[in-house]
Amino acid sequence: KAGVTQTPRYLIKTRGQQVTLSCSPISGHRSVSWYQQTPGQGLQFLFEYFSETQRNKGNFPGRFSGRQFSNSRSEMNVSTLELGDSALYLCASSLVGRGTDTQYFGPGTRLTVL
Amino acid sequence: DQQVKQNSPSLSVQEGRISILNCDYTNSMFDYFLWYKKYPAEGPTFLISISSIKDKNEDGRFTVFLNKSAKHLSLHIVPSQPGDSAVYFCAASWAGTYKYIFGTGTRLKVLA
Repeated sequence: KAGVTQTPRYLIKTRGQQVTLSCSPISGHRSVSWYQQTPGQGLQFLFEYFSETQRNKGNFPGRFSGRQFSNSRSEMNVSTLELGDSALYLCASSLVGRGTDTQYFGPGTRLTVL
Repeated sequence: DQQVKQNSPSLSVQEGRISILNCDYTNSMFDYFLWYKKYPAEGPTFLISISSIKDKNEDGRFTVFLNKSAKHLSLHIVPSQPGDSAVYFCAASWAGTYKYIFGTGTRLKVLA
């Protein structure tokens, strides 16, 4: 069974631009979560989607948004990029997204903001 | 407020010896705990999990121990191998939520 895929793997943008990242979950998984990883901060939860609905959101500004499509694929968007948005963005999928479901991660998208 | 803490940023262990990675949490609602391993330029890989109804779970060389009264869990790797060198994250969750809370990670280096 194919794992979680994320595109693109690497991205370089400049301040003020916007970016869209894509995630395809494991087949049969309906929950997709997004995390931001920065040095020393671990993985910070961004949001979780299930059946095209956002069920949970972390403490990030409104510039960070996402959506999920009917095939469970998900995208996240960051508008008006800031230098501090440089990070590894990880997507994880699970069957239904309950707290006791194991999440499986993709390889991440490395975003660099100049 | 860091609800899940990994107070040791790094750990070095000789090959063949035991590696013990620690994690503390503050939220009493957590009832499911996981450990992930992460290599550079890759996403975290699930290692092992434990439910709060248990105090130990074993999978090959990996054992996770949970001490609910102390709000502490640990991951034991026996014997440690050079390929185990990676960053290890603990994560916690509870049945009524849809997210994990992660610690900041411990970088394990296994010396040959």
